[in-house]
Parts: sequence; structure tokens; C-alpha cells
Amino acid sequence: NAGVTQTPKFQVLKTGQSMTLQCAQDMNHNSMYWYRQDPGMGLRLIYYSASEGTTDKGEVPNGYNVSRLNKREFSLRLESAAPSQTSVYFCASSEGWGIYGYTFGSGTRLTVV
Amino acid sequence: QQQVKQSPQSLIVQKGGISIINCAYENTAFDYFPWYQQFPGKGPALLIAIRPDVSEKKEGRFTISFNKSAKQFSLHIMDSQPGDSATYFCAAPTYNAGNMLTFGGGTRLMVKP
Repeated sequence: NAGVTQTPKFQVLKTGQSMTLQCAQDMNHNSMYWYRQDPGMGLRLIYYSASEGTTDKGEVPNGYNVSRLNKREFSLRLESAAPSQTSVYFCASSEGWGIYGYTFGSGTRLTVV
Repeated sequence: QQQVKQSPQSLIVQKGGISIINCAYENTAFDYFPWYQQFPGKGPALLIAIRPDVSEKKEGRFTISFNKSAKQFSLHIMDSQPGDSATYFCAAPTYNAGNMLTFGGGTRLMVKP
């Protein structure tokens, strides 16, 4: 019963480097989301995918790109990392109407130096 | 764009006491308000939710109170225990985007033995 799996769990990047955060869910959920968590700011939506083949911007999309590779997988890419992207990143999924229950992964703690 | 204001940012309660966390939202097209609980190093997990055809919902020691006219809702934790120490997030459906949630800034609760 894995749920939502995120890799890696920790990462340190230098400014300007690129990387991809991976997310996979095994619950056959239609919708997937990427949030970032910063102290005092809660969880802010970066991008979401309401269904396979679609992606849309959330509240804070600048500096990020996403790919909904298939129904299971939703990746987040940082093309040129900046210190402002230091954060904890969470992937989540939901079946249909997401408001009725997200399942979150355990997060990726990213530090950009 | 939906905003959800959560207070306090941090809370210290003695074991056996009552913990109260408040949230206020601006607009919502869907009446459904969940609370998520997050332990250190883990992703948030759904704790309890309310659909405001009722003004209060209770599950064990956790109670949500809802005031639709004031656009406010709160979480009460009765007989708080050290195991309740966690970060709590309220959330509200993003206006006109029913499959997404906007989260409050979070409340870090510490219950002292």
C-alpha cells in the first residue's frame, strides 16, 4: 500500500542547476498536484493535472515545469534552480473531485545554494 | 483567488487542555472544509472535514465548528495529548476550481506533558 511515492527525499542543488522531482501514485487517481511548503505560508499549489494528458498552472508556477507522463506519474522540473526555490515539495493525488481528499507523498526537501 | 487565513501560527497547550485553531476564507463555490494533520518528516493527511449543512462535526476528540455567515471555521482538540503535536492545516475549495484546495498557513501545535 504505497500510495504516493516521491523521489528523491532530499536534494541539494547549486544555483542554476536543473533537476526533476518524481512522483508516482498507485491508487488509480485521476488528478495529481505539486505543492510547495514554506514556513508560515502553508502549502501553495505549483501545478496540477486534472487528468492524464492535461496540466495547468497553480498559484506559484514560475520557474517550474511539469509532465504528466501517464496516469500514475507526474514530474516537476526545475530548469535553473534559484535559492528562492528552497522548500519542501509535496506531490498529492485525488480521485475525481480533489477537495474530498488528497493523498500526499512524504515530500522532497530541496535546498538551493 | 481564494485566500485562507489561519491562526495562530503556533500554539502550546498543556496535556488535557483544549487546542483551538481558527480559519477564515474569502469565497468558495463548494461547501467542504477539511483539516489536515502533518507530523514531522511526513506529508499532510486528512484529519476531519465538514460540509456545512451542519454547523459542527465531531470525531472523537476533534471537532470542527463552522460559521457560514462569517466565513469562518475552527478546529477544537479536546483533552489534547502529546501525540497530537503536529502541524495543522485548514483548507477551502479554490473558487471555481472544484478539484483543488487552497490551504491556510498552518499551525504548529505542541502539547506539553
